[in-house]
Amino acid sequence: QKEVEQNSGPLSVPEGAIASLNCTYSDRVSQSFFWYRQYSGKSPELIMSIYSNGDKEDGRFTAQLNKASQYVSLLIRDSQPSDSATYLCAVNIGGGGADGLTFGKGTHLIIQP
Amino acid sequence: GAGVSQSPRYKVAKRGQDVALRCDPISGHVSLFWYQQALGQGPEFLTYFQNEAQLDKSGLPSDRFFAERPEGSVSTLKIQRTQQEDSAVYLCASSSKAGGLYEQYFGPGTRLTVT
Repeated sequence: QKEVEQNSGPLSVPEGAIASLNCTYSDRVSQSFFWYRQYSGKSPELIMSIYSNGDKEDGRFTAQLNKASQYVSLLIRDSQPSDSATYLCAVNIGGGGADGLTFGKGTHLIIQP
Repeated sequence: GAGVSQSPRYKVAKRGQDVALRCDPISGHVSLFWYQQALGQGPEFLTYFQNEAQLDKSGLPSDRFFAERPEGSVSTLKIQRTQQEDSAVYLCASSSKAGGLYEQYFGPGTRLTVT
């Protein structure tokens, strides 16, 4: 059973600070990792993908992957009120049969002005 | 460019009715996925198409659920004899590459309410 675990929150962060979101996954052979942002009543929006160990930066967002620890995180620098949303971690193990993504339940992030 | 589109955006069905949900992926995207999202949960995978071939239907919850993509573009998810537990948001996603390893882009979803 593939599992992706996230702290549901809410995680409250003051405006301008760094928000740190964490995710662990159970399947050691997982190959691709994604962070999606979902506003209430909207569909998931892809914000980061990461495939290799280490850090990947895109603007205010940094994804970090540690396959040995089965851990992936998302850092949001200079947090803005518009970053308030649910952040979904998603993992895909790939392989034969073309699996879909396995999602965590999401972390509800609140940026306090 | 145009993203993934889905219709209808909202559907109310009486228990026992059949429904059909449509997904129009990003033009040229070979991979198409359907997910089901219950309130407060992450999306759950239902089925995957590579072009017109349904390569993975392991997530379909029962034989009342059926999906097709006959010409490798538009896809339809059909639910027969709807039950209350089918109430959820149904999300479609597409990807430019074959397989599930690559970035998937979601449509706005169809919110299904079964009464």
